[in-house]
Amino acid sequence: SQTIHQWPATLVQPVGSPLSLECTVEGTSNPNLYWYRQAAGRGLQLLFYSVGIGQISSEVPQNLSASRPQDRQFILSSKKLLLSDSGFYLCAWRYLGYGYTFGSGTRLTVV
Amino acid sequence: AQSVTQLGSHVSVSEGALVLLRCNYSSSVPPYLFWYVQYPNQGLQLLLKYTSAATLVKGINGFEAEFKKSETSFHLTKPSAHMSDAAEYFCAVTFNQAGTALIFGKGTTLSVSS
Repeated sequence: SQTIHQWPATLVQPVGSPLSLECTVEGTSNPNLYWYRQAAGRGLQLLFYSVGIGQISSEVPQNLSASRPQDRQFILSSKKLLLSDSGFYLCAWRYLGYGYTFGSGTRLTVV
Repeated sequence: AQSVTQLGSHVSVSEGALVLLRCNYSSSVPPYLFWYVQYPNQGLQLLLKYTSAATLVKGINGFEAEFKKSETSFHLTKPSAHMSDAAEYFCAVTFNQAGTALIFGKGTTLSVSS
């Protein structure tokens, strides 16, 4: 069966530190992958999506970047975190046409 | 461009009462519409989705939604609220193109009182 893994679950990082969040999918190949951020009162904002290895599309200008080094791996990164990067980050993949499954999320607090 | 508007950021109902969460969409192409539920500090769980088949869609936990093209709406309903329904609910839209992401509304928090 297909599953999506996202880690860590929670993270507290100081301002200016680097960030790496990882998302992996099992049980499928060539999935469409997405990173969303959820900030209080703002719903879910699409950050990046990828339709294949090395193919990244960015939806909003920001302090973050994404990479897809392997077919089922999607990484969200930052070289220097800002306070405004705090939020709940969700990875998702699209399957069977129009189904989307979400990971359990990472709560990032930048202090 | 596509967008979703959820009317009411917070809805309160009594246990056993009707739940109605409103969602209106904007899309220049035939949309595919979704409702997700999120419990605190958890990911999103799919309640139901409309993908151009039956306009009345039944989902999990007794929820259903009706796609009304003339009103550009996809409201979520449940006849009788349970305490366990208290959560945040998101309406989302996408369309028929490879790689397209879900575009979400800002969410509606549902509170259920006894």
